[in-house]
This record gives sequence, C-alpha cells and structure tokens, in this order.
Amino acid sequence: GQNIDQPTEMTATEGAIVQINCTYQTSGFNGLFWYQQHAGEAPTFLSYNVLDGLEEKGRFSSFLSRSKGYSYLLLKELQMKDSASYLCAVREAGAGSYQLTFGKGTKLSVIP
Amino acid sequence: GAVVSQHPSRVICKSGTSVKIECRSLDFQATTMFWYRQFPKKSLMLMATSNEGSKATYEQGVEKDKFLINHASLTLSTLTVTSAHPEDSSFYICSARDVGERPHEQFFGPGTRLTVL
Repeated sequence: GQNIDQPTEMTATEGAIVQINCTYQTSGFNGLFWYQQHAGEAPTFLSYNVLDGLEEKGRFSSFLSRSKGYSYLLLKELQMKDSASYLCAVREAGAGSYQLTFGKGTKLSVIP
Repeated sequence: GAVVSQHPSRVICKSGTSVKIECRSLDFQATTMFWYRQFPKKSLMLMATSNEGSKATYEQGVEKDKFLINHASLTLSTLTVTSAHPEDSSFYICSARDVGERPHEQFFGPGTRLTVL
C-alpha cells in the first residue's frame, strides 16, 4: 500500500513563489506525478518525476528524492489563475502497473 | 492531442435507477482506462482499472455488480451505476493511458457529476 501526505491548504501572494511538499511511503516506486485541479473540473497533468532531481517546465518545477520519499512542486510568478488544488500521485512498481494513488490534494489560494 | 471526453457531464436521477457514463479517448487508442470517484474536498479514489477486451479489475471495497465497467473498444469505456442510491452521488472521472507517445501519463476526462435523489 501507499501513504501520501501533503498539506491541506496554502495561501500565497500573486507574483510570489510557493513550494508544495509531498511525502510518500510505498512498497515499490515507479514515478511521481503532480496534477492541477480546479474546482469541479478534472485534473490536468503538470509533471512527472521518476529519477531524483529537478524537472523544470516554465513556471512550474518538480523535485524528487526517492531515498527520502519526498517531492515538491514549485510554482513561480504566481498568478490568480493558479488558485487550485494540487494533487501529488504515486505510481507503484510492478509489471504493467499504471495505477496512480493520489494524495488528498493541497488547496492553493493566490491572493492579490 | 490526448483528449478524453466524458458523457454526460451532469446527471440527476431517481434512487433505484441505473446511470451509464461514457469515457472516450478522442485522438488516441487507450488499452487501459481508469475510473475514479471524488467526494467534495476529497482526493480521487481509484475504483477500477479497465482493460480493452477483458474484465475490469476493481479496487478493494468497490462492488463490481454495482459499478459495471465495459471496455468494448480501444477508445470507449463505460461505467454503469446500477440501482443508484443517494450515497452514490459523487464526481466520477475517467482517465486513459496513451500507449503511444506518453505511456506514463494518464489523461483525464472532464468528469461526470452524478446526483441521486
């Protein structure tokens, strides 16, 4: 099984930088995903990490440390439209396994 | 590319009726589709994994006779909620895996909000 923890809520100011942390415990690891979900909508893919290190994609970056069971999503130059829930999801190792287990999500509120 | 659609987007039904939700991959073939449900302010919970041409694999605690899944083609999976009750009211989301270009990603449909009266 898997246990995924992330903060429930965060608030940040427009134009600032915010880091959303995610810790996980799993019997086997085969990738970590970050998704953005606006209220009432389906999640949209943000990033994928399977090796240690930082993946950068525009204003969004994601970091992974497999030895620590830790990841973070970094959002730069925050915009009001970034207000959403951010879901950390882990894929467990196993042949042909593509199932994701999601954390409860971090609701980010961006304020002026 | 990699667009997934769901139909209907919203449905309201009476208790005891059955509701079918369709999930389609519009521009790619999906041998595997996933069905999730999400309660308000909660995370996505995987209900079942649907493989084209074979029986779905259900997660523990999900009744397969209540949530019927059919993955008849590489672009369509359906979830039927049988004899729906108010506690089945939820946001149902499907996702599909593109075996071609980005096999590690799941692409999500826009979701179906089911309300059972």
